Amino acid sequence: DAKTTQPPSMDCAEGRAANLPCNHSTISGNEYVYWYRQIHSQGPQYIIHGLKNNETNEMASLIITEDRKSSTLILPHATLRDTAVYYCIVRVGNSGGYQKVTFGTGTKLQVIP
Amino acid sequence: NAGVMQNPRHLVRRRGQEARLRCSPMKGHSHVYWYRQLPEEGLKFMVYLQKENIIDESGMPKERFSAEFPKEGPSILRIQQVVRGDSAAYFCASSTGGQETQYFGPGTRLLVL
Repeated sequence: DAKTTQPPSMDCAEGRAANLPCNHSTISGNEYVYWYRQIHSQGPQYIIHGLKNNETNEMASLIITEDRKSSTLILPHATLRDTAVYYCIVRVGNSGGYQKVTFGTGTKLQVIP
Repeated sequence: NAGVMQNPRHLVRRRGQEARLRCSPMKGHSHVYWYRQLPEEGLKFMVYLQKENIIDESGMPKERFSAEFPKEGPSILRIQQVVRGDSAAYFCASSTGGQETQYFGPGTRLLVL
């Protein structure tokens, strides 16, 4: 299983871009990088995922390095409601062909007014 | 399109009682996953089910815990003879397929007195 490493906490000023890094140096070629966030006491919310190419949706952008050993989640204009724990996850593949998601401790992002 | 539904949202049980947690997947989703989150920790995989089948229960304790996803109705996570250590948030996720994105419900917070 490819493990991920994230900083335990980060601060970001409201209105600024929040850049959340993640290292996944043992990722396999067919493993995707997923990002979820968990706002206090709520269920995890899916944000974005990618394999090789950079991805963008209405919530965020995902930048994956060419060697795929790290990635960055970008929230372009952070708001107070983006304060949450952000989880970077590498999808585990197995012979059963299903996605056994493993959550680490994530990055606690605090958006400051 | 309603998201993943879980009920009850909060459940209080005394030691030795039974707890039943329900999860209704998103419309069109036939794959269900259960996770447990202890206070100040990340989510831990418990069990993965498809309709009428348990695919992977490797994360579920062998004693007292069971899960089902019947042909009709919600998925049920059942905890018999609860102990204080079972106090946690239990999250359900669903997907359209084993390798597709999982979407999470709001969770059930179980408190064992």
